[in-house]
Amino acid sequence: SYDLTQPPSVSVSPGQTASITCSGDDLGSKYTSWYQQKPGQSPVLVIYQDDKRPSGIPERFSGSNSGNTATLTISGTQAMDEADYYCQAWDSDTFYVFGSGTKVTVL
Amino acid sequence: QVQLQQSGPGLVKPSQTLSLTCAVSGDSVSSNRAAWIWIRQSPSRGLEWLGRTYYRSKWYTEYAVSVKSRIVINADTSKNHFSLQLKSVTPEDTAVYYCSRDDSGVYYYFDSWGQGTLVTVSS
Repeated sequence: SYDLTQPPSVSVSPGQTASITCSGDDLGSKYTSWYQQKPGQSPVLVIYQDDKRPSGIPERFSGSNSGNTATLTISGTQAMDEADYYCQAWDSDTFYVFGSGTKVTVL
Repeated sequence: QVQLQQSGPGLVKPSQTLSLTCAVSGDSVSSNRAAWIWIRQSPSRGLEWLGRTYYRSKWYTEYAVSVKSRIVINADTSKNHFSLQLKSVTPEDTAVYYCSRDDSGVYYYFDSWGQGTLVTVSS
């Protein structure tokens, strides 16, 4: 099976940059997506195809993917960005795979 | 803008069958581009893809290995909805279940989600 590894938590001060990593074997050769989930809500797509933002997602969200690591970056983090973030990729054997999630706390 | 509306019971007894339906508006379940997905989320297993159905001149289904022997996903074009059946449930199947759509073609991501249904397996 294919596994994606994320840090359990990331803390960031308001206005600063938060970086969330997602690691997997040769992940850079796959497309990675990112989802934001707030308590009691369904996940929301914030990045797809490594670095593309759906309409309505603020420009402060950006993504990159190279080697074994994909990264979601939140620039100028706001209190409303406090949430769980999940990476996701496709593997031909396992199909859709999710990371374990990272809780972003805005201190 | 596609909308997915889930329905189904929130409590299922052990050994019985969990059944959920996802009504689609703003798209067609027989679209030649979209795939229709079921995902669940629990504290112990995180987000877990369960399976998908899609139409490409005929219907296809694919399931996660972890539930392959117990799961059925199908679509009803007359009602424009798709359904999940998970048989012989145990307390480990307690989770929030989501329906979703992958309209990405070959990029494999979920652009729309249902509201989620908490299903508890308990006698």
